[in-house]
This record gives sequence, C-alpha cells and structure tokens, in this order.
Amino acid sequence: AQTVTQSQPEMSVQEAETVTLSCTYDTSENNYYLFWYKQPPSRQMILVIRQEAYKQQNATENRFSVNFQKAAKSFSLKISDSQLGDTAMYFCAFMSSTGTASKLTFGTGTRLQVTL
Amino acid sequence: KAGVTQTPRYLIKTRGQQVTLSCSPISGHRSVSWYQQTPGQGLQFLFEYFSETQRNKGNFPGRFSGRQFSNSRSEMNVSTLELGDSALYLCASSLNVVDGYTFGSGTRLTVV
Repeated sequence: AQTVTQSQPEMSVQEAETVTLSCTYDTSENNYYLFWYKQPPSRQMILVIRQEAYKQQNATENRFSVNFQKAAKSFSLKISDSQLGDTAMYFCAFMSSTGTASKLTFGTGTRLQVTL
Repeated sequence: KAGVTQTPRYLIKTRGQQVTLSCSPISGHRSVSWYQQTPGQGLQFLFEYFSETQRNKGNFPGRFSGRQFSNSRSEMNVSTLELGDSALYLCASSLNVVDGYTFGSGTRLTVV
C-alpha cells in the first residue's frame, strides 16, 4: 500500500517570503499522480497543483511550484511571495495509475501560517 | 459554474441512529468520491462511484455505504452510529480523476 509522509506538522512564513513544504511517499509503481491540496478554515479542499510521475518537468501554477524527485520519492511544494490568504492546511496526496486509480492517499498535512 | 454541494453542513445524531449525507457533483462529473476526515486518522478514503457503480472502496466497516443516482448525485449512509464516526465527511467529484478532484465543503457529523 502506498503511504504519504509530511514531516512538518506546522510552519510559519512572513508575508512576501518563500516557504517549502515537504512530502515523501512510498510506492512500487512507476506511473502515478501527485497532488497538493489546500484546506483553509472554510474546510473546502482546494487543488493547488498536480504532477504526473512520468513527466520530468516540475509543475508550476503561478506562485506555486513543486520539486519532484522521482528517485527519492519526494514531492515538495514551494510557495513564493506568500500571502495572508495562503494560511491553511496543506495536504500532499498520491493517486495510483493502476487498479486503485481514483483513490487519493493523503499525508497528515502541514499547517501553514502566513504572518505580517 | 456551481461547485460540489454537500448537505447538510452540520448534523448531530445520537449513537445507534443512522444518517444519510448528500452530495451534488459539478455538472458533467461522473466520478464521485467520499472521504472521512478526523483529527486522529486524517483523511481516509471511503468509496468512489462512477456512473452509478461503486468502482473503489476503502477499509471501512459495512455500516458505511453509498450510492450514486443517474444524475450523478451521491448519498452516503452510516448505520448504527458510533461515537467514533464523528468527523468531517467530504465529497469530491471529477471529470477525469487523474486531473484531480473538486471537493465540497463537507458535512460535519457529531455523534453524541
């Protein structure tokens, strides 16, 4: 079974600074999908960014980018120019491309606080 | 366009009762998944439906069940509620699951 590990329970960053959230995962598969979701106090999970394992190029969405290291099974999220609205729980998630495709396996989350 | 709608937002039930939660996916999305979120266990996958068929199931007891209707709306049911079933239940829908899911705001279930 796949596992996802987020080793940073809480992080803090000042507005306009850059922060990196860590995520590692364990799988024996070669093709899969990785996601970062954000959950603000409103409770709704919001998709931040996704990465396909067979693509070597790191995904980027505006101020959000990932550092995908397939061999190391690492998938970190970098937030540039942090804004107060980035304050939220961030979850890393794995999705298989095989039989269990459609199921997301989540990490335990990192609580990010953006301060003035 | 409208997002994923879950009703009700909050629910309080007594141990031993049963409960039904509802989810309306984004129009055109045929895949609907359910997740349970608790402080202790985190986010756990319950099941996924696609075109009225359960396509994937998590490791939950048979008290947890679901269904999907022809219009893709989905319901999940929990029978014989236990205190440990208190959680935020999230529904998510997708047009193509590998592109990611869109989540609703959840139903907060409290069992007393």
